[in-house]
Amino acid sequence: NAGVTQTPKFRILKIGQSMTLQCAQDMNHNYMYWYRQDPGMGLKLIYYSVGAGITDKGEVPNGYNVSRSTTEDFPLRLELAAPSQTSVYFCASKFSRDQPQHFGDGTRLSIL
Amino acid sequence: AQKITQTQPGMFVQEKEAVTLDCTYDTSDPSYGLFWYKQPSSGEMIFLIYQGSYDQQNATEGRYSLNFQKARKSANLVISASQLGDSAMYFCAMREGSSASKIIFGSGTRLSIRP
Repeated sequence: NAGVTQTPKFRILKIGQSMTLQCAQDMNHNYMYWYRQDPGMGLKLIYYSVGAGITDKGEVPNGYNVSRSTTEDFPLRLELAAPSQTSVYFCASKFSRDQPQHFGDGTRLSIL
Repeated sequence: AQKITQTQPGMFVQEKEAVTLDCTYDTSDPSYGLFWYKQPSSGEMIFLIYQGSYDQQNATEGRYSLNFQKARKSANLVISASQLGDSAMYFCAMREGSSASKIIFGSGTRLSIRP
């Protein structure tokens, strides 16, 4: 049982490039989330989804896009990478309201 | 808008002592839930404990307990008999509303345990 899988683990981008961070879960969770964590800081919610075809903005959505075409996958897209998007990105999922989130191992992204 | 605050950026505690990590929250919704997570230096997020707004008793999980004071809107994490392995970042998080979809985190407290 893999849980929440994020790829890649590390990536360096140049300013203006685009990329997609992948997130997949095999627990049949409806709820999925994307957070970013800047050094020494807490997690900021970027986007979340309550099921396939449904997404909503979190606290810091600017510069990102998401899609949820299946229950398992929730990719995060950066269209025009900026240095301010240098961060560690965590994907999470959960089964129901009172259950905790399961987190992936994170993607460390540097924009130079 | 929901808001969650952790006012202690860092704490040092002697091994085997108890420690309380503060968390206050702000919401107008009567239905909400509070989570605590631990993040060691390796980076993974580890779930510790959960408290629902309608739960009658304070949550406990082994050495972790939650001091839930609803009127004060606080949900402090208490770790009894601290161990060196408790050194980590600790985050409080809140889900708001019966739909439970949006979950936001506080800024965290870095706990260091002294031998």
